[in-house]
Amino acid sequence: KNEVEQSPQNLTAQEGEFITINCSYSVGISALHWLQQHPGGGIVSLFMLSSGKKKHGRLIATINIQEKHSSLHITASHPRDSAVYICAVLGRGGGADGLTFGKGTHLIIQP
Amino acid sequence: DGGITQSPKYLFRKEGQNVTLSCEQNLNHDAMYWYRQDPGQGLRLIYYSQIVNDFQKGDIAEGYSVSREKKESFPLTVTSAQKNPTAFYLCASSIRGPRTTGELFFGEGSRLTVL
Repeated sequence: KNEVEQSPQNLTAQEGEFITINCSYSVGISALHWLQQHPGGGIVSLFMLSSGKKKHGRLIATINIQEKHSSLHITASHPRDSAVYICAVLGRGGGADGLTFGKGTHLIIQP
Repeated sequence: DGGITQSPKYLFRKEGQNVTLSCEQNLNHDAMYWYRQDPGQGLRLIYYSQIVNDFQKGDIAEGYSVSREKKESFPLTVTSAQKNPTAFYLCASSIRGPRTTGELFFGEGSRLTVL
């Protein structure tokens, strides 16, 4: 089964700072998801990627398949970005539905 | 608007009681999932369904049951056999089944507390 590690576990930054959250996994994958969990508990899908880079507004996600590593970047961070960010990988085998989730990175952006 | 609706948002249960969590989607998705989230842990799969009248056990199915009588609905019953049911439960759906690269859509979650 794939091991998914996220770093850092907790991150507090000031408004406007550039944020990077990392995700590493142990076994080759088909795709990787970045999810955002709001304080109330609901989860929103941010990105799904299998190679290269994707950008949506102030969010950028990159993945390096060879190094088994992905990063989520937030430019010009804002307090509304405060949330838990979760990485999930879709393995080529193992797991009932193929998805393995990281434990999440708790981000707080202070005004 | 299309989406997933979970209810109730908060639920309290006495030990020994069964409780059913509702999950409804109007996205016309084939696949639906139930996940459990505990503090400090990643989401863990309880059950998933790829098609009406069919469902598969996930990694932690013991003490839970599901049904998929309609495409839109995938209720989860937490039975008295579940040893530690206090947790946050999330329902999700995707247009295609597992082991695909389809985007996941989640509900707002249901927090179950056993008293």
